[in-house]
Amino acid sequence: EAQVTQNPRYLITVTGKKLTVTCSQNMNHEYMSWYRQDPGLGLRQIYYSMNVEVTDKGDVPEGYKVSRKEKRNFPLILESPSPNQTSLYFCASGGTLSGNTIYFGEGSWLTVV
Amino acid sequence: DAKTTQPPSMDCAEGRAANLPCNHSTISGNEYVYWYRQIHSQGPQYIIHGLKNNETNEMASLIITEDRKSSTLILPHATLRDTAVYYCIVRFRINTGTASKLTFGTGTRLQVTL
Repeated sequence: EAQVTQNPRYLITVTGKKLTVTCSQNMNHEYMSWYRQDPGLGLRQIYYSMNVEVTDKGDVPEGYKVSRKEKRNFPLILESPSPNQTSLYFCASGGTLSGNTIYFGEGSWLTVV
Repeated sequence: DAKTTQPPSMDCAEGRAANLPCNHSTISGNEYVYWYRQIHSQGPQYIIHGLKNNETNEMASLIITEDRKSSTLILPHATLRDTAVYYCIVRFRINTGTASKLTFGTGTRLQVTL
């Protein structure tokens, strides 16, 4: 079954404590991306990657890092989380051929206190 | 990316067809129309996409006008489980860099009732 898997699904952490949200896909997709969703602001892209070792900023990259060492994994790193990063996060993946569908994970609820 | 306009909310009786409209008057020839939905706070779920021809799959049908400036998503027999926010998204047809981004608007909140 085609899947985009995120972990953890729920996390409460404290300001400044580094954390990583993992994302893995089993579809051999080149493209992967992270979005955050906030009330009234919709889904906004944080970072994306077109292939291994190729990453680029999305619309709201400040305070986040990513890496793409393997094709299937695309972790999102918060080096020093702050309360304004409290949000619902989604990982997505897709092929890079014309018209390829993008699939989303189930989301990770992150609360920074 | 071309901008899309959708009504903020719609109601539909269970068992009836739900017709969700979307306006994308600035769409270019290189852009697809995609539909996703989000049930509560789950991950957005792909429904269907098309370029210029009408499309149908097991979930829905997509009708695109000849001038491509608008489209309609049709759920032929809506059920309570179809209650969700539906997003119409225009996306560049070639998956390169920023063109792969999906720009979500505010969508249409579809409420299916008994």
